[in-house]
Amino acid sequence: EIVLTQSPGTLSLSPGERATLSCRASQSVSSSYLAWYQQKPGQAPRLLIYGASSRATGIPDRFSGSGSGTDFTLTISRLEPEDFAVYYCQQYGSSPTFGQGTKVEIK
Amino acid sequence: EVQLVESGGGLVQPGGSLRLSCSASGFTFSSYAMHWVRQAPGKGLEYVSAISSNGGSTYYADSVKGRFTISRDNSKNTLYLQMSSLRAEDTAVYYCVKDHGYPTPWIFDYWGQGTLVTVSS
Repeated sequence: EIVLTQSPGTLSLSPGERATLSCRASQSVSSSYLAWYQQKPGQAPRLLIYGASSRATGIPDRFSGSGSGTDFTLTISRLEPEDFAVYYCQQYGSSPTFGQGTKVEIK
Repeated sequence: EVQLVESGGGLVQPGGSLRLSCSASGFTFSSYAMHWVRQAPGKGLEYVSAISSNGGSTYYADSVKGRFTISRDNSKNTLYLQMSSLRAEDTAVYYCVKDHGYPTPWIFDYWGQGTLVTVSS
């Protein structure tokens, strides 16, 4: 099973700042099978990025994904108030797994 | 508009059984694999199970293998999860999830609102 480790656990930033979230895999992951999700309190997760760098339908262009192999990054260029949430990365290798999440909180 | 509506959650005793249902609309249900993902209270996401578009193939996480059964009825646009031998650690919100499909399967593009399963005596 591929383990995904997200860092940092919590990111404290102000609106308008840039957020950089990391997801590191224990083994190489095909970029086609790396995704990022956003979850707000009391809500279901929402797909943001798939294929490591493709934005899902309706996702603003301030969200971008990059990376390959074992290191992947989600970047939010300028934080809007609605972006403060928990973010999860997910991969499908031999079995699907999620990272433990990064909470982006208001500083 | 894609909609996934789960039902069937509730309180069940350890060792008991429960069947979750997910009613799908807004897309061609029979063309997509479907999944269940769960989230224990205050915790992260855990993958549970998958079923292919025609129901011919299934997959289970080790934590539920042999206890949970996923199925679907394409004539009713409905996904199911039969859960038995339930344990306290199965307590979670269970999400019904649509597969993204070709060319990036096993990516989850639509989620239901979830149904809470509580296993407790």
